Amino acid sequence: DVKVTQSSRYLVKRTGEKVFLECVQDMDHENMFWYRQDPGLGLRLIYFSYDVKMKEKGDIPEGYSVSREKKERFSLILESASTNQTSMYLCASRKTGPTAGAQYFGPGTRLLVL
Amino acid sequence: GESVGLHLPTLSVQEGDNSIINCAYSNSASDYFIWYKQESGKGPQFIIDIRSNMDKRQGQRVTVLLNKTVKHLSLQIAATQPGDSAVYFCAENGGNQAGTALIFGKGTTLSVSS
Repeated sequence: DVKVTQSSRYLVKRTGEKVFLECVQDMDHENMFWYRQDPGLGLRLIYFSYDVKMKEKGDIPEGYSVSREKKERFSLILESASTNQTSMYLCASRKTGPTAGAQYFGPGTRLLVL
Repeated sequence: GESVGLHLPTLSVQEGDNSIINCAYSNSASDYFIWYKQESGKGPQFIIDIRSNMDKRQGQRVTVLLNKTVKHLSLQIAATQPGDSAVYFCAENGGNQAGTALIFGKGTTLSVSS
């Protein structure tokens, strides 16, 4: 059974704090993704990674960075959290190539920045 | 801009009825499509997928129909149950064969009353 896990389900942080969100997948997928999800805006891609140490900006990378030191782990970093980064954060993974199937999502981290 | 969308943001049905959720896509290069279910406070969960060489695919109580001529995708849920209440998203690959990020619609909220 496929599994994507996220380090926290809920987080409360203060403005200006550095925040780390971690994601681990056990499917040996090459591609990993970070999204944020806000009411009325759907899923928006922040960053993705297609290999270890490789990353690409998504649609809304400002204020975020990522790290992929191991194939199974993809971290999202909020360098200096702001209230407009309060959101639901979703990690996903997907294998690569023409037979790539679905993206599989983690349970999400609901972040509140005060 | 968004290339995947849904015809209705909400759908209300009675328990036991069949539900049909629709999705229109605009990228004619897309050759892989997925439906996800997202329950409140959880990550999106894969339901069923279909490749463009098929018109129909069936799962357990769910059927996906693909009409490439009019770029339309639908999800049919038979004998809808209260546990089917959730947000349903369609997604497409935009013709990307590398297995990178899918393109998501904003979702339809299905409410099932008993």
